[in-house]
Amino acid sequence: GAVVSQHPSRVICKSGTSVKIECRSLDFQATTMFWYRQFPKQSLMLMATSNEGSKATYEQGVEKDKFLINHASLTLSTLTVTSAHPEDSSFYICSAKRASGRVNEQFFGPGTRLTVL
Amino acid sequence: GDSVTQMEGPVTLSEEAFLTINCTYTATGYPSLFWYVQYPGEGLQLLLKATKADDKGSNKGFEATYRKETTSFHLEKGSVQVSDSAVYFCALGSTGTASKLTFGTGTRLQVTL
Repeated sequence: GAVVSQHPSRVICKSGTSVKIECRSLDFQATTMFWYRQFPKQSLMLMATSNEGSKATYEQGVEKDKFLINHASLTLSTLTVTSAHPEDSSFYICSAKRASGRVNEQFFGPGTRLTVL
Repeated sequence: GDSVTQMEGPVTLSEEAFLTINCTYTATGYPSLFWYVQYPGEGLQLLLKATKADDKGSNKGFEATYRKETTSFHLEKGSVQVSDSAVYFCALGSTGTASKLTFGTGTRLQVTL
């Protein structure tokens, strides 16, 4: 149990276009989902926390208009990178916290590698 | 605020060698502690966890003990395999409602024959 999927796994897009990444909890309900960004050979940087039915909470320095997050249901959160630029190229990882689980236990998706040309 | 400090890598070991990856933390309250592993090109997988002082988390031959007195959660394995080559992240889970995880910078382990 506790499987989290992400789609797509890889995406290449042109500069100026928008890209949507989906994060789904497949076998559990997730009240909270988290979006991280990982640069090559570096740690994960938390971008935002999304709660079902409410606005996402963004970390300091993360542009909310650039990275749109929608947590439409207890099993789905989406991250849209708007007007993508080459500097947005990165590995984006989501995680989900069970609605009924212990505090702080997150389950991670496999990640989405975004390349902006 | 909360922070996690990991030993820098890369760590290169021969197969069957003993592994220790150091991790120390700074936090308020009583956080949970985790080790995650990331294999090349993949997302993070939970390796083990400990939720209170003196707890020992263990999985796949790896273990780590939550030491409150030294604020540490060092990862150990008695005999590493080539398949253990990956990046290992120590993480701290806050005790607040936000349930945020704070990650260390990661330690790359390379095991050779």
